Amino acid sequence: DQQVKQNSPSLSVQEGRISILNCDYTNSMFDYFLWYKKYPAEGPTFLISISSIKDKNEDGRFTVFLNKSAKHLSLHIVPSQPGDSAVYFCAASDSGGYNKLIFGAGTRLAVHP
Amino acid sequence: GAGVSQSPSNKVTEKGKDVELRCDPISGHTALYWYRQSLGQGLEFLIYFQGNSAPDKSGLPSDRFSAERTGGSVSTLTIQRTQQEDSAVYLCASSWRSGGAQADTQYFGPGTRLTVL
Repeated sequence: DQQVKQNSPSLSVQEGRISILNCDYTNSMFDYFLWYKKYPAEGPTFLISISSIKDKNEDGRFTVFLNKSAKHLSLHIVPSQPGDSAVYFCAASDSGGYNKLIFGAGTRLAVHP
Repeated sequence: GAGVSQSPSNKVTEKGKDVELRCDPISGHTALYWYRQSLGQGLEFLIYFQGNSAPDKSGLPSDRFSAERTGGSVSTLTIQRTQQEDSAVYLCASSWRSGGAQADTQYFGPGTRLTVL
């Protein structure tokens, strides 16, 4: 039972354009969502997060949107750069006293010149 | 400051052998997590420590898996009688604290790639 789903295993985008990565979740108890970026042979690196009390959070080129009614969130990268090429993981947590993260399977983003 | 470190970076073992994987969290981080990533999969939660206690072991796949944390710092994940399905990248993460209305950011180590032949 996958509680966090990233249905697109890969995405290819041209440099300078917008990258949109999507994530769906099923557990309505999730109240905190995160995006991590992972390069080969490295651990995941925190990118951006959003609390369920918000519907948008922006940090530089990265914006995360949360649609609670649809149980959907997305990560927008504008403009995309070749260095953004990596695997992006969506993760979710509830506030049940600790913050075990539930991860999606990841989306591999390739930004080409 | 140093990040989360893990050792070894790679481990190849024979089926049936025991292995120990080590995690050194960021200094001062009280919460420590173990995850694993099998080929083509997302990260799967294994166990969580708050200090030296493990309030949540629900992700450990079988009783062949165990973990401990000493001195509120270093943690060791032990897999006994390894099986081929244990092959994965084992990742450790730490954070300042846990709980409350907002999750603290978890910082990950580079992982240990375990291959069971």
